[in-house]
Amino acid sequence: GQNIDQPTEMTATEGAIVQINCTYQTSGFNGLFWYQQHAGEAPTFLSYNVLDGLEEKGRFSSFLSRSKGYSYLLLKELQMKDSASYLCAEYSGAGSYQLTFGKGTKLSVIP
Amino acid sequence: DADVTQTPRNRITKTGKRIMLECSQTKGHDRMYWYRQDPGLGLRLIYYSFDVKDINKGEISDGYSVSRQAQAKFSLSLESAIPNQTALYFCATSDGPEWQPQHFGDGTRLSIL
Repeated sequence: GQNIDQPTEMTATEGAIVQINCTYQTSGFNGLFWYQQHAGEAPTFLSYNVLDGLEEKGRFSSFLSRSKGYSYLLLKELQMKDSASYLCAEYSGAGSYQLTFGKGTKLSVIP
Repeated sequence: DADVTQTPRNRITKTGKRIMLECSQTKGHDRMYWYRQDPGLGLRLIYYSFDVKDINKGEISDGYSVSRQAQAKFSLSLESAIPNQTALYFCATSDGPEWQPQHFGDGTRLSIL
């Protein structure tokens, strides 16, 4: 499958801004998803990027650079409830139509 | 009520047993998926189905089989369970086209002793 790299863990302070990076192999790329997963729960969809640039949704934004094989998720005004794992997932077409997930970044928000 | 329902939510069983995990959905989606999640390894695709007559292997299909009994139902079987199949299993659904997000069930925690 495609190699997707994201940091294993991050810690940030309540009220601050945090950026979670994700890199992927560009061959066959068709789109990049971000999911949030609280411990012991199901992943939930946050964002989808297929074109270069920044997509903003409230406190969460996602950026994509197709040429660099790079995306990031930006979380603003952090809240304690944002403590969760954030999963980067690449959709590659080429007939397979599969999502390949990174291992996830566990974010801990501290007071 | 959950849109994607997995049963059972938890299961403890012994090596060599046959296990079936079931997934049903009320979202009306054609596409259904089975993943397993292991600490440090992330979500990995086992099988997926784009309609009732379509079954496709994912990244880690060995030791598993699936059945798509209807548009709303997709079951995963472990024919002879082994301890390294202990994991958290998720079912997901999505609508076409491909950029539509996947919607996950609450998961089945499976322990094989």
